[in-house]
Amino acid sequence: DQQVKQNSPSLSVQEGRISILNCDYTNSMFDYFLWYKKYPAEGPTFLISISSIKDKNEDGRFTVFLNKSAKHLSLHIVPSQPGDSAVYFCAASAVNYGGATNKLIFGTGTLLAVQP
Amino acid sequence: KAGVTQTPRYLIKTRGQQVTLSCSPISGHRSVSWYQQTPGQGLQFLFEYFSETQRNKGNFPGRFSGRQFSNSRSEMNVSTLELGDSALYLCASSPPIAGALQETQYFGPGTRLLVL
Repeated sequence: DQQVKQNSPSLSVQEGRISILNCDYTNSMFDYFLWYKKYPAEGPTFLISISSIKDKNEDGRFTVFLNKSAKHLSLHIVPSQPGDSAVYFCAASAVNYGGATNKLIFGTGTLLAVQP
Repeated sequence: KAGVTQTPRYLIKTRGQQVTLSCSPISGHRSVSWYQQTPGQGLQFLFEYFSETQRNKGNFPGRFSGRQFSNSRSEMNVSTLELGDSALYLCASSPPIAGALQETQYFGPGTRLLVL
């Protein structure tokens, strides 16, 4: 049961253009979402997060949009740079009403290739 | 501030053996989570420790166990290794944020385990 889905295994974008990475989720209890970037044989690097009380969060070239009714989030990278080429994972977590939780459910990842 | 460190970085074991992996969180972080990454299953949550107590557990067999020490360092142990345990094992730590139920996780570089 894949609760977090990234339906595009790969994406190719020209340098300077916008990269849009998509993520869908099925669990309506998820209320905190994160994007990570990962290079092979390295740990994921945190990029940006969003709480379910917001629909947009920006940090420099990265913007995350959340559409709760559609259970969909997206990561926009503008402008894209060759150094952005990596695998991008979205992740989600749900508040544990028994206390705090750091259990992340990850999507399968999207390989972004930014062409010079 | 130093990041999350994991030792060893690479490990080769044979079926039936056991293995212990170590994780040192970012200074001041009290929550440590462990994840397994495989090509077939992606990134999957193993367990989380906070203040030396297991706070969350994923759907892994009892052969996978962990603990956390008073200095927040954590170890995970896998007993009776199987070929399918070959994976990248990632550790992540989170800072304590007063009143927050969810915290951003910062990952280490991982330990690559190969079971022959």
